[in-house]
Amino acid sequence: SQTIHQWPATLVQPVGSPLSLECTVEGTSNPNLYWYRQAAGRGLQLLFYSVGIGQISSEVPQNLSASRPQDRQFILSSKKLLLSDSGFYLCAWSVGLGLWNRGETQYFGPGTRLLVL
Amino acid sequence: AQSVTQLDSQVPVFEEAPVELRCNYSSSVSVYLFWYVQYPNQGLQLLLKYLSGSTLVKGINGFEAEFNKSQTSFHLRKPSVHISDTAEYFCAVSEQYNTDKLIFGTGTRLQVFP
Repeated sequence: SQTIHQWPATLVQPVGSPLSLECTVEGTSNPNLYWYRQAAGRGLQLLFYSVGIGQISSEVPQNLSASRPQDRQFILSSKKLLLSDSGFYLCAWSVGLGLWNRGETQYFGPGTRLLVL
Repeated sequence: AQSVTQLDSQVPVFEEAPVELRCNYSSSVSVYLFWYVQYPNQGLQLLLKYLSGSTLVKGINGFEAEFNKSQTSFHLRKPSVHISDTAEYFCAVSEQYNTDKLIFGTGTRLQVFP
């Protein structure tokens, strides 16, 4: 069966510090991968998605970047955190069919709660 | 561009009462529709989804939703809720014949009281 892991679960970082959040998926190959941010009262905002190694699409201009160094690894980074980067970060995967949407379910990880002070 | 509106940010209800969580969407093309649930401090899990066929979709935990194309709605219902249904519920859409990116609504917090 497939599982998705995120770490750390909770992170408190000072403004201006770097960030690295990791997401890994097990039990599947060539998944589509996603990073979302959930801010209070705002639902989920898609930050990045990837259909393959090294292929990253950014959805919103921001202080963050993403990388996919391996097929089942997705990393969210920042060189200098801002207060506005605080939130709940969720990684998700879906069956990889490239760009063709067939309504596949997205499976979410447990999330990382980031607090920037 | 697509958008999803969940008009009710919070829905309080007593245990064993029926509930309806509203979702309306806007899109210039055909869409797939989803409802996800998020329990406190957890990720999201799929409740149900509409891809095609029957407009009444049944999901897990006794929930169902009905796709109404003319009203561009996909309301979620349950005839009798339990305390354990207390959670945040998100409606989402993705465009057919496009990438499978999901656009989420802002969520509805369902609070079930004994």
